[in-house]
Amino acid sequence: DTGVSQDPRHKITKRGQNVTFRCDPISEHNRLYWYRQTLGQGPEFLTYFQNEAQLEKSRLLSDRFSAERPKGSFSTLEIQRTEQGDSAMYLCASRAAKGWLPGANVLTFGAGSRLTVL
Amino acid sequence: DAKTTQPNSMESNEEEPVHLPCNHSTISGTDYIHWYRQLPSQGPEYVIHGLTSNVNNRMASLAIAEDRKSSTLILHRATLRDAAVYYCILRELIQGAQKLVFGQGTRLTINP
Repeated sequence: DTGVSQDPRHKITKRGQNVTFRCDPISEHNRLYWYRQTLGQGPEFLTYFQNEAQLEKSRLLSDRFSAERPKGSFSTLEIQRTEQGDSAMYLCASRAAKGWLPGANVLTFGAGSRLTVL
Repeated sequence: DAKTTQPNSMESNEEEPVHLPCNHSTISGTDYIHWYRQLPSQGPEYVIHGLTSNVNNRMASLAIAEDRKSSTLILHRATLRDAAVYYCILRELIQGAQKLVFGQGTRLTINP
């Protein structure tokens, strides 16, 4: 298992463009989380999936943000009409559901996708 | 969400022990204490967690006060690779997301 993979690692875009990030969690993990991290701050929770169901969304997730996990495996986070304030690191994490599986009580994070909006 | 308080930064020397404190005076009986760290240009990584008793693993030790209002992460012999931001987080044992709420953490600098 290669851990949580995120793509792309870096994205530079112009204000107003749409961007999409992809996250591939650890295969047996059915819980998936998206976080956002700005410079000098800790990660902030954005949204949570259990299998394909999006069960919780932060108020930070404005209407321009949409996340999906169509088959309960990989997830995408799309930002429409990007603004300079969207510049941040977008982190994906996954967790096993069953208490006896390794990692059930902890989140495994990917390396993140860094977005720069010019 | 329950809050934790950590020093903004700490400094230590290579091969010496490091004690990273965390205060969580509003902790409830079912909150687990988790520690994660974030190395430069990487996502956070799990370090250790505990509920009431002290815990040891290959990375670190976690010492939990008897009243659970504070805890200390102990790195027994710091290396340069331990330079990171360390986050102390309370995780509620409830149904649902069980998301982690990060603070600003402690930035640990290790001197050669």
